Amino acid sequence: GEDVEQSLFLSVREGDSSVINCTYTDSSSTYLYWYKQEPGAGLQLLTYIFSNMDMKQDQRLTVLLNKKDKHLSLRIADTQTGDSAIYFCAEKTAGNKLTFGGGTRVLVKP
Amino acid sequence: DVKVTQSSRYLVKRTGEKVFLECVQDMDHENMFWYRQDPGLGLRLIYFSYDVKMKEKGDIPEGYSVSREKKERFSLILESASTNQTSMYLCASSPTGTPPNYGYTFGSGTRLTVV
Repeated sequence: GEDVEQSLFLSVREGDSSVINCTYTDSSSTYLYWYKQEPGAGLQLLTYIFSNMDMKQDQRLTVLLNKKDKHLSLRIADTQTGDSAIYFCAEKTAGNKLTFGGGTRVLVKP
Repeated sequence: DVKVTQSSRYLVKRTGEKVFLECVQDMDHENMFWYRQDPGLGLRLIYFSYDVKMKEKGDIPEGYSVSREKKERFSLILESASTNQTSMYLCASSPTGTPPNYGYTFGSGTRLTVV
């Protein structure tokens, strides 16, 4: 079955790196996504990684995928106060559905 | 840019009322989705649609129905609102085609309170 898990909360100081972790269970996942939700807003697609990749870098964002352990992480370098948000990982499996994790609330302290 | 517009940001309804949540997208996407978001539970799929007049149940369809009479519009209906349906409702759409466009585009959400 499909199940995506994330820790609930992460606190980080401005300028430090943030690492948000996610585990998933469906080995047939083809794409994995990271979304950001700012207060009062919908979800915004941040980045994605194809399941045959180990790493993807996009400016301050680095996505690491360990397919053997079904573990996905998002690293945000030089975290800023504007990065405070809820971050969701999601996996795409068969069909056109995404299954989302519960979300990690990231709080950036000055 | 794709826009997904949800008609109301905030709604307050009474128990037993029939409630309509509207969602419109302007990029000719085939797929549309309704989620509810609750603290600690993340996003849970209520219903989705791959085409006009087509609908599929998601993970928590009980107490809800949907309508997709036109490609751009996907409505979520609470037949008889109950307090446990107080939540944030998010609509999303996506095209059918080459990934990674399978990533969804979300609306801003409707926060529904049932009293």
